[in-house]
Amino acid sequence: QKEVEQNSGPLSVPEGAIASLNCTYSDRGSQSFFWYRQYSGKSPELIMSIYSNGDKEDGRFTAQLNKASQYVSLLIRDSQPSDSATYLCALSGYALNFGKGTSLLVTP
Amino acid sequence: NAGVTQTPKFQVLKTGQSMTLQCAQDMNHNSMYWYRQDPGMGLRLIYYSASEGTTDKGEVPNGYNVSRLNKREFSLRLESAAPSQTSVYFCASSQTGPAAGELFFGEGSRLTVL
Repeated sequence: QKEVEQNSGPLSVPEGAIASLNCTYSDRGSQSFFWYRQYSGKSPELIMSIYSNGDKEDGRFTAQLNKASQYVSLLIRDSQPSDSATYLCALSGYALNFGKGTSLLVTP
Repeated sequence: NAGVTQTPKFQVLKTGQSMTLQCAQDMNHNSMYWYRQDPGMGLRLIYYSASEGTTDKGEVPNGYNVSRLNKREFSLRLESAAPSQTSVYFCASSQTGPAAGELFFGEGSRLTVL
């Protein structure tokens, strides 16, 4: 079983700040990494995927991957209260293997 | 575009009863999955089906059976429900190949076993 570790939080940031979410993994052979967002009582939805080392930007979101150090992170710039959710890190295998998620709270 | 549809959305069972969770997708995806989500445990894979006619066990398959009825439908059956199976169940689907990690989830089925 591929281990995916996330700090459960909650991570609290003020509105407008940068939220930084981190994830480490144990399998050096993992090739594909994903961030899902899950609002309370809802199903997860994909927000970012990253496959190679470095940064990938999409709007206010930036995913960062460092395969040598086995971590992947998600930065949310100009955080909004609507970003308050649980963020799940996942990596590919025969099926996606999810971390337990980090709860983010953006306070007005 | 319905995406992934799960039924029922809510169900209460007594210990020992059986039931089937239904899942259908209209995105022509080859792969389908059943996950369960419990507080503090994250999403755990129960079973998956890489293509029509194939099914494989995931991390927590005990107490469950699945059927890939056709390309669209993937059902999850609890033969004799136990309180430990109280959970939220999510069905998901994806393409194969490089997009295999881009899962589309149903709305979830909330099951309580008394």
